[in-house]
Formats: sequence, structure tokens, C-alpha cells
Amino acid sequence: SAVISQKPSRDICQRGTSLTIQCQVDSQVTMMFWYRQQPGQSLTLIATANQGSEATYESGFVIDKFPISRPNLTFSTLTVSNMSPEDSSIYLCSAGELQGLSGYTFGSGTRLTVV
Amino acid sequence: GESVGLHLPTLSVQEGDNSIINCAYSNSASDYFIWYKQESGKGPQFIIDIRSNMDKRQGQRVTVLLNKTVKHLSLQIAATQPGDSAVYFCAENNAGNMLTFGGGTRLMVKP
Repeated sequence: SAVISQKPSRDICQRGTSLTIQCQVDSQVTMMFWYRQQPGQSLTLIATANQGSEATYESGFVIDKFPISRPNLTFSTLTVSNMSPEDSSIYLCSAGELQGLSGYTFGSGTRLTVV
Repeated sequence: GESVGLHLPTLSVQEGDNSIINCAYSNSASDYFIWYKQESGKGPQFIIDIRSNMDKRQGQRVTVLLNKTVKHLSLQIAATQPGDSAVYFCAENNAGNMLTFGGGTRLMVKP
């Protein structure tokens, strides 16, 4: 199964600023996703990162707030723009092949605190 | 949209006992299910999966049961160990390549 490196692992940011989170996979994968997880809660899909084209966003998430890049089959970034305290959360990258040997693999997450 | 939910938010078991974590899903079109384990400070980790053409699948100390009639999924952990303490999520695939996650159950193993 794919191994994912996600960074930064955590950050404390000032409101109004932006943070870019990086996700690096150790092998080429078809699918890459970005999730948000509030502490103690489940995972909410933000968007599917599409290689070479615009990401596909889920209801409640927009490109201006969460721009996503995926320049190739092993790398993606998520930017949290113009942050407010409500953006404080854990952001997770996921990648792999559905119904492969181990479903989708997840990174360790980025714990973001906006002050 | 469709959702996946759980009956028990917290499950406490004695070390050595068997654990059963339940999950109800609402989309009868879902054809693939995964159980994930998430330890504190880490991302979810794949445990076991099952396709809708099966009703049972076994792994090492874990068994997943699927009842399509009542749209219910369960994860059984045999001889639960302290290292099994974590939050467990079921996830379903019913459209495209996306997964919908359930609310999660926290498993606490008492020594």
C-alpha cells in the first residue's frame, strides 16, 4: 500500500493568513483526497484532487477557500486561505486505489490552530 | 446525502474479551465497505474490507460481518488487547471512488 508523508504535522497560524499543506505519496496513485476532521469527530471530505485538472469539491467547500493542486500522480497540496478560528481542525490527505489491497491510505494529518 | 452511522459511540471491554463494533449504513447501493482504526494523533489505518457479494471476511483477530438485509456492518476483534484501544470508523463506497465515513466508535480496553 502507498505510504503518505504529510507536512507540516501541526501549525499555529494568525487569522487572515494562509497555510499550505503538502502530501507526498511514495508511489503513483490514481486517487488523492483531502479531509477535515474536528477533534473527536469523523472525517468530512473536502475535495478530490484531480491530476492535471481542477479539484472536485464537496458541498460546503469552495476553491477560493481551499485551493488544491495536484501536479502529478504522487503529490498534492491543500491551502487553507484567509484563515479564521473556525478553520482550526485536523486536515488529512488520503491516497491510493479503491478496492486495492488496503483501501485508501491516510497521512498522519496536519493539526491546525488559528488564533 | 447518504450517511453511515454507528450505534455505540464508546465501547469499554476487558483485555482478553472479544469486541464488537457496529455500524449502520443507509445506502442500499453501497457495494464496498472498509473498517479503519485511528489512534490518537495519527491518520486512519486500514483494518479490513468487504465487498457486498460477501457476508463475512476474516483477518488476523478481526472479522467483518455484512448484513445487507438490514444494512448493518460489524467489526469483531478477538482477544482484545490494550493496543486495540482507538477510534474505529466504518466507511462505505456507493458512488465513484469516494468513501463516506461513519461517526466513529471509541474502543477502550481495560487491563
